[in-house]
Amino acid sequence: AQSVTQLDSHVSVSEGTPVLLRCNYSSSYSPSLFWYVQHPNKGLQLLLKYTSAATLVKGINGFEAEFKKSETSFHLTKPSAHMSDAAEYFCVVSRSGGYNKLIFGAGTRLAVHP
Amino acid sequence: NAGVTQTPKFRVLKTGQSMTLLCAQDMNHEYMYWYRQDPGMGLRLIHYSVGEGTTAKGEVPDGYNVSRLKKQNFLLGLESAAPSQTSVYFCASSFGGKRNEQYFGPGTRLTVT
Repeated sequence: AQSVTQLDSHVSVSEGTPVLLRCNYSSSYSPSLFWYVQHPNKGLQLLLKYTSAATLVKGINGFEAEFKKSETSFHLTKPSAHMSDAAEYFCVVSRSGGYNKLIFGAGTRLAVHP
Repeated sequence: NAGVTQTPKFRVLKTGQSMTLLCAQDMNHEYMYWYRQDPGMGLRLIHYSVGEGTTAKGEVPDGYNVSRLKKQNFLLGLESAAPSQTSVYFCASSFGGKRNEQYFGPGTRLTVT
């Protein structure tokens, strides 16, 4: 079975400070892991993807995530937050093969203050 | 490339009415999906398709039907709308296999009164 837990439902940071969004996963298989971002009234956009190559994955807009198997974590970070980063972020686990079922976390809403 | 497009963007239905949501993708993806997003519940899979002419049930299929007559299109139908189907509906597509990242459309906001 697979599951995803996003440890914070809301995160608030000041512009220019680091961002950390936490995600733990559970998977019986070697997982694919993703982070998606959803801006208000928009669809979901893929930020980055882990597929068992490098454990540190770089994504768009300066985001990156580190896969830590021993901790079953896939936390999303960014060194310096921008106002445009305010959005909802979803950690997602998938199993390769089959129909690629995605298991979504509940989401973390990121607020960025001036 | 337009990616994944959805029509309409907004719709209001009365209870018992029917409608069809259209999803189109121009990325030659084999797999297509319909999700609904409700506050506090994340995204839930309604139906999916692994290729032209195929469909399968997801987590919450009741009250919905789908068809995939052409590879690039995936239709979601509501035969008799209910207030519980008020939601935002997202279509997604992917290649499948190891290329399993899904690409999402902009969504359709449906209200059933």
